[in-house]
Amino acid sequence: DAGVTQSPTHLIKTRGQQVTLRCSPKSGHDTVSWYQQALGQGPQFIFQYYEEEERQRGNFPDRFSGHQFPNYSSELNVNALLLGDSALYLCASSLVPAENSPLHFGNGTRLTVT
Amino acid sequence: KNQVEQSPQSLIILEGKNCTLQCNYTVSPFSNLRWYKQDTGRGPVSLTIMTFSENTKSNGRYTATLDADTKQSSLHITASQLSDSASYICVVSARIKAAGNKLTFGGGTRVLVKP
Repeated sequence: DAGVTQSPTHLIKTRGQQVTLRCSPKSGHDTVSWYQQALGQGPQFIFQYYEEEERQRGNFPDRFSGHQFPNYSSELNVNALLLGDSALYLCASSLVPAENSPLHFGNGTRLTVT
Repeated sequence: KNQVEQSPQSLIILEGKNCTLQCNYTVSPFSNLRWYKQDTGRGPVSLTIMTFSENTKSNGRYTATLDADTKQSSLHITASQLSDSASYICVVSARIKAAGNKLTFGGGTRVLVKP
């Protein structure tokens, strides 16, 4: 049973460029959430996708956008990269509406913006 | 504003010893509280989930407690092992009527177990 998989594992981009990160949820899960984790800090919620629509959004600018596909996989897009976007980007999947079920996280994509 | 504060920020313990991590929150309406373990370079892994009616839950050597009245939780690690070296993150879930739950993450406590 495959868990949450993310690609790529590492990425280096230049300020101003655009990046796309990918996530495949755990088998049987239909909801995908994205988080940004700066070094030494807890994850910050970016947004959540369910039924191919953005259901919730954290305090992130419009430069951060996403998409969910019919097979429940998801992409996170970041435009006009800033140095401050350097972080570990985590994808987590879950099964809605089981509110007490745990999130299953991938191992993240480490993005470095130079 | 929903907030989750964890203490201490970091700690060092000797292998075999016990330790307790703290989590204070101001999240409402409360749905559940979760503890996650995050190894360096890996994604967080769920340890426990507690709802309002539960005041303790164990997962092996990890025991979490919840006091919903004082809005405090603790995670106790018994007989620590080198593999317990990780960040431990407290996450509190608020119930949002139309959109499901909203999770608020603490900053984590970094635990280093030394031989």
